[in-house]
Amino acid sequence: QVQLVQSGAEVKKPGASVRVSCKASGYDFTVHAIHWVRQAAGQRLEWMGWINAGNGDTRSSPNFQDRLTLTSDTSASTAYMDLSGLKYEDTAVYYCTRTRNGSYWGQGSLVTVSS
Amino acid sequence: DVVMTQSPLSLPVTLGQPASISCRSSQTLVYKDGTVYLNWFQQRPGQSPRRLIYKVYKRDSGVPDRFSGSGSGTDFTLTISGVEADDVGVYYCMQATHWPYTFGQGTKLEIK
Repeated sequence: QVQLVQSGAEVKKPGASVRVSCKASGYDFTVHAIHWVRQAAGQRLEWMGWINAGNGDTRSSPNFQDRLTLTSDTSASTAYMDLSGLKYEDTAVYYCTRTRNGSYWGQGSLVTVSS
Repeated sequence: DVVMTQSPLSLPVTLGQPASISCRSSQTLVYKDGTVYLNWFQQRPGQSPRRLIYKVYKRDSGVPDRFSGSGSGTDFTLTISGVEADDVGVYYCMQATHWPYTFGQGTKLEIK
């Protein structure tokens, strides 16, 4: 069965960077894009960007300017989300999901930005 | 960005009664290939979102047939024909036609 398993919770200081990983199993990793979505407390879900796991093409929401980097390792069937220049308002649960229609979701990774 | 507006934001429902959630988009959601990328998700407390309906009306495998989606253009509806206790949670509409994709604010369904 399709599974997306994410890395654990992180606590970071303002200005630092964070990496969240998303390991896929149960399907051919290169066939579907991996998308990233975040959910801050009390805020609506926010779509961040996606990576074509087959050819590495990426697209990021303008809301993240140049802070978001998406990569993947096809040999490990794993996608990575790097967010730099962390701000307090980046505190959120970060999810990976398969395809633009959100067919399967990871369990979420809590990132806390705190001094 | 396309703004997705849901109503109501809170939905108390008696067990067995029907429930409907409205979702309106600030732009038409018809993609250049004619597909309407409007999806509905359920999120239970402490869980990841779970997709219920995709492309307006297509029900996901394992989703009870009491859930149905309808609509066109900019107006969409999620209907639950008879609410069960297991349906408690927050429901989101989401558009994947225009980048960046966007969600509604969420509708919290509770049992009256």
